[in-house]
Amino acid sequence: DGGITQSPKYLFRKEGQNVTLSCEQNLNHDAMYWYRQDPGQGLRLIYYSQIVNDFQKGDIAEGYSVSREKKESFPLTVTSAQKNPTAFYLCASSKQGIGNEQFFGPGTRLTVL
Amino acid sequence: AQSVAQPEDQVNVAEGNPLTVKCTYSVSGNPYLFWYVQYPNRGLQFLLKYITGDNLVKGSYGFEAEFNKSQTSFHLKKPSALVSDSALYFCAVRDMGRSGGYNKLIFGAGTRLAVHP
Repeated sequence: DGGITQSPKYLFRKEGQNVTLSCEQNLNHDAMYWYRQDPGQGLRLIYYSQIVNDFQKGDIAEGYSVSREKKESFPLTVTSAQKNPTAFYLCASSKQGIGNEQFFGPGTRLTVL
Repeated sequence: AQSVAQPEDQVNVAEGNPLTVKCTYSVSGNPYLFWYVQYPNRGLQFLLKYITGDNLVKGSYGFEAEFNKSQTSFHLKKPSALVSDSALYFCAVRDMGRSGGYNKLIFGAGTRLAVHP
């Protein structure tokens, strides 16, 4: 997990509330990614960013928002529009360039009560 | 459509025996392939990747993977399994439909490896 931190480790949310998941990296990586993991479905890409102030929707962006104001930080907001937000959320980063592997943070488990 | 398939939900192996975790892919062009491992409630750890060159790629913790272009496969292998290898393993391929420096990955659903003493 080294070099990428995610907080909090566990997060509980009431329905109708927005929550923000933190992701910070000190690897000097340009690209950052957010994934959602559900049992038996592997990882699905929510958003990704290559440079500061730029980000792109992934495969399941509806109900989520992100910002990239600093190279080191890529917070994810789970909005009340996300119908089924209970999941394990993983942040990753990689060097610029094709074929570079992604490094993952330890994850945040979000539970909606 | 580009995709990755891991045909086995679970693989059971006795400690000391060789293990294989299967992965097949479907992409346009030459693939960039990756294997990751995940321990319970943790993030993914990178094991190895194939970009080009030798079809047999060596990675971390004694794992290796064999790229087979004709069979569109990238199976993960280890000569002698350890109980500590028990974890969830993911195969991934770079989305070749994306341009630029993004390394958008398409992940398989994962295979749970259980190594028994």
